[in-house]
Amino acid sequence: QQQVKQSPQSLIVQKGGISIINCAYENTAFDYFPWYQQFPGKGPALLIAIRPDVSEKKEGRFTISFNKSAKQFSLHIMDSQPGDSATYFCAASRGYNNNDMRFGAGTRLTVKP
Amino acid sequence: DTEVTQTPKHLVMGMTNKKSLKCEQHMGHRAMYWYKQKAKKPPELMFVYSYEKLSINESVPSRFSPECPNSSLLNLHLHALQPEDSALYLCASSQEGGSYEQYFGPGTRLTVT
Repeated sequence: QQQVKQSPQSLIVQKGGISIINCAYENTAFDYFPWYQQFPGKGPALLIAIRPDVSEKKEGRFTISFNKSAKQFSLHIMDSQPGDSATYFCAASRGYNNNDMRFGAGTRLTVKP
Repeated sequence: DTEVTQTPKHLVMGMTNKKSLKCEQHMGHRAMYWYKQKAKKPPELMFVYSYEKLSINESVPSRFSPECPNSSLLNLHLHALQPEDSALYLCASSQEGGSYEQYFGPGTRLTVT
């Protein structure tokens, strides 16, 4: 059972454009929602994360928007650069003392120069 | 320092071999994880150690045997693997509890021949 659904599967954006990746979750017990960036042959790197008590979090060009009632969250990459080309995974985990984090299927982002 | 190190970077082994993957972190994290990642797929949780005790085993075949000798080290012992076990094996660590950032290592690329 896929607990975190991510879309689109792939995304092509022009340099300077906005990249938007969406995720939806089912389990209302999830209380931590990170985004990871992964380059080929490397491990995932934590990009930005949000908890459900806020609706938006911004770090530089990266913004997470969170809609608790709709059980959806999204990553916005402003002024996308070719160096942002990577695979992005959303994830969700639940509760203190529960280390079970579930990943979305991933979005392969290509930023064209 | 948010570094998780893994050795070796690459490993090729036959189906009758016994090998071990190693992971180390010095961030004082008390939760450590093994994930398996196939090409173009998200990481799949295999094992979780919390305070050096196995807390989650995601029904992983017994040919994979985890070990946590101390709070900084995590091993994955491999024996009688199958070609379909070829994948990127990722180690991660976090503060104890599910709602904290997980930091991933670069992974070990395993090929079973």
